Amino acid sequence: GAGVSQTPSNKVTEKGKYVELRCDPISGHTALYWYRQSLGQGPEFLIYFQGTGAADDSGLPNDRFFAVRPEGSVSTLKIQRTERGDSAVYLCASSLGLGLAGAAETQYFGPGTRLLVL
Amino acid sequence: GENVEQHPSTLSVQEGDSAVIKCTYSDSASNYFPWYKQELGKRPQLIIDIRSNVGEKKDQRIAVTLNKTAKHFSLHITETQPEDSAVYFCAASIGTGKSTFGDGTTLTVKP
Repeated sequence: GAGVSQTPSNKVTEKGKYVELRCDPISGHTALYWYRQSLGQGPEFLIYFQGTGAADDSGLPNDRFFAVRPEGSVSTLKIQRTERGDSAVYLCASSLGLGLAGAAETQYFGPGTRLLVL
Repeated sequence: GENVEQHPSTLSVQEGDSAVIKCTYSDSASNYFPWYKQELGKRPQLIIDIRSNVGEKKDQRIAVTLNKTAKHFSLHITETQPEDSAVYFCAASIGTGKSTFGDGTTLTVKP
């Protein structure tokens, strides 16, 4: 089927506002990841879902950031009281999520949402 | 946690020459090492990967080597072409967990 999709592709907001970023993973992929990429740097891990539950949220920078995946498919990353430092490209990735004996899985990335906080 | 370092940060080669990018990792439990190519404004695209039970993998002009003892892995591109110009990222992960990325190498292939 189609690859990972993300909406919106671009989001401009004002400092202090609330934003939601959406990710549609590859159909059948149970593992979903959010990363943040600042200019000139590699993607930085935020949170990883296995099904509906957050298996690892150690990368969320503070309590302004929250993510959900209520039905185990689409995920929404929510950022409250945005700050200028939140400006970055937010990338979503998905993988099969089989987790067979710790076997590694390829992560497929979406095109990202470019967030600009003025 | 895992730390991945990538060198060099920029690399310029003449068309037809080889390019080598190196990464080191800190967590000996890491068992998966992908390489991504990212063009300006685009998503990271997987170009090759290697698992910890393999020492080397090749796909046409691209190869990756892994030294688990030294905790480093390298990307080799032979017969470079201008369309190989992009930012390349290495990463390390454990199973289905998060990937930790290097800071990227900007490769420029001059015609």
